[in-house]
Amino acid sequence: DGGITQSPKYLFRKEGQNVTLSCEQNLNHDAMYWYRQDPGQGLRLIYYSQIVNDFQKGDIAEGYSVSREKKESFPLTVTSAQKNPTAFYLCASSMGSETQYFGPGTRLLVL
Amino acid sequence: EDQVTQSPEALRLQEGESSSLNCSYTVSGLRGLFWYRQDPGKGPEFLFTLYSAGEEKEKERLKATLTKKESFLHITAPKPEDSATYLCAVQAHSGTYKYIFGTGTRLKVLA
Repeated sequence: DGGITQSPKYLFRKEGQNVTLSCEQNLNHDAMYWYRQDPGQGLRLIYYSQIVNDFQKGDIAEGYSVSREKKESFPLTVTSAQKNPTAFYLCASSMGSETQYFGPGTRLLVL
Repeated sequence: EDQVTQSPEALRLQEGESSSLNCSYTVSGLRGLFWYRQDPGKGPEFLFTLYSAGEEKEKERLKATLTKKESFLHITAPKPEDSATYLCAVQAHSGTYKYIFGTGTRLKVLA
């Protein structure tokens, strides 16, 4: 089955710790995205990548980093510089500028 | 500035009571408008893409329409399983693949 997988489903971060969220897709999509969702707010774009080895900052990139070494994978690192990381993180992919499809999400909580 | 506004924020319907959700947008050249359904704790599920004013699409009890300023998601004879948050997003002819999301409408259908 083609789709997008995100892991883990829940992630706990301690103060000063960097954590990495995984996103993998087998849809052969060239573009991938990371969004953050907070209660009562729309999805906010963190980073996106239109091709391998290239990515652009979204609207709220501070405190986050990404890499795109393979077409299938777009991991997101939440660094210690992100002071309010508690949120639901969503990964998406698309074929070019066509419809985006989303993964199941990762909920990040701070201990 | 490109913007998407959804209304109402929340809607409670009796089973079988038809209604409409609104998505108003301002964007510098609309490339596409997208509707998603999101269940609690899950990633958004794609419903429809609309590209030009006058376009309509249907799926079971849902029908999406588009004008130059807004889109409606009509729900006919809803059932409790239609309860979810419905998200609207637009994409501009900006040369990037970025979406702009609204904050969603939380729909509750009572049996």
